[in-house]
Amino acid sequence: KQEVTQIPAALSVPEGENLVLNCSFTDSAIYNLQWFRQDPGKGLTSLLLIQSSQREQTSGRLNASLDKSSGRSTLYIAASQPGDSATYLCAVIGNNDMRFGAGTRLTVKP
Amino acid sequence: SQTIHQWPATLVQPVGSPLSLECTVEGTSNPNLYWYRQAAGRGLQLLFYSVGIGQISSEVPQNLSASRPQDRQFILSSKKLLLSDSGFYLCAWSTGLAEAFFGQGTRLTVV
Repeated sequence: KQEVTQIPAALSVPEGENLVLNCSFTDSAIYNLQWFRQDPGKGLTSLLLIQSSQREQTSGRLNASLDKSSGRSTLYIAASQPGDSATYLCAVIGNNDMRFGAGTRLTVKP
Repeated sequence: SQTIHQWPATLVQPVGSPLSLECTVEGTSNPNLYWYRQAAGRGLQLLFYSVGIGQISSEVPQNLSASRPQDRQFILSSKKLLLSDSGFYLCAWSTGLAEAFFGQGTRLTVV
């Protein structure tokens, strides 16, 4: 069974800082990896999707990378803003299932 | 366009009462469908997934069941709710090769 781990569990940074969130998974036979953000008490908002044949995807200040062979993905956030404060979740999508890490709770202080 | 409907948004139910949460998908056919539960301050726990009509895979033994009576309909049920069933329930779909989409979630409180 696929296991997904996210490090760190929580992160607090001052506004403007660049930061990296990590996601690792145990089974490299995946279709896609998707990063989500979740605001408190809300559902999930999709940020970036990386297909298994890709190595990275960019959207605005976000850049996600995927190294399937080593079972790792990173989400890079440039020039962080207080509005980026949320929990960030990575999801590993296999042939049939989709499994999540426990998330990284990010706080960006003004 | 591809959309997913999940209802109700909020539900308060007494212990021992039945439960039925429904999720429907539009804009795709034969999707993989998922039910997740998120306890307060925790990650998403995969409860059930389905790759086709009538095909349900259960991840953990529990008080809940799932059914897929139609291609784009996924139902989460319980005959008798427990206090421990409280949580935030999310329905999702994917086609494997494209991104996954989530419903807005149902916050269930069992009292």
